[in-house]
Amino acid sequence: NAGVTQTPKFQVLKTGQSMTLQCAQDMNHNSMYWYRQDPGMGLRLIYYSASEGTTDKGEVPNGYNVSRLNKREFSLRLESAAPSQTSVYFCASSEVFRGTEAFFGQGTRLTVV
Amino acid sequence: KNEVEQSPQNLTAQEGEFITINCSYSVGISALHWLQQHPGGGIVSLFMLSSGKKKHGRLIATINIQEKHSSLHITASHPRDSAVYICAVTYSGAGSYQLTFGKGTKLSVIP
Repeated sequence: NAGVTQTPKFQVLKTGQSMTLQCAQDMNHNSMYWYRQDPGMGLRLIYYSASEGTTDKGEVPNGYNVSRLNKREFSLRLESAAPSQTSVYFCASSEVFRGTEAFFGQGTRLTVV
Repeated sequence: KNEVEQSPQNLTAQEGEFITINCSYSVGISALHWLQQHPGGGIVSLFMLSSGKKKHGRLIATINIQEKHSSLHITASHPRDSAVYICAVTYSGAGSYQLTFGKGTKLSVIP
């Protein structure tokens, strides 16, 4: 009964390093999302995957790539981290057209120095 | 740009008070969500509604589709209700896979 599992919870990177944030859901949802949350900005969509095999850019995609590995897993990659990518990242999943609520991971607090 | 506006941004209440948080949006939606985020914590869905009213314990959410407005009410507030409450909408039509979020209302309930 895990819901959405997101790893890691905390990460510190040096400018220019790369990393991948992992997300997995066990609710058989088609749609998965990556958001970032910054003070005073609210949650902003980075990328989403409406269904397995598809990915689309959201509001703030620059500097990120995603992979929908299978129906369960949706990863977010930072190829060359920048201080502007310091943020809290949330993965979420839902089944919008069947009217389900959105379920969120616990978040990843990323600091780029 | 489709926007979600919340008010107030910050709210301090005494324990036991009745609390109302408001959310307005600009165009037609298929659903509206109320979410809760405790300090340093994850985000939890409280309600998803497309019409009328829903109640869960001391929390009540209402939506008026014609006025494009929703309210979240907390009755008999308690310090454990202290959190950020976020309104989000799923817009109808193109892009309807996405949630658009308000900036949140920070609630502090004082004993």
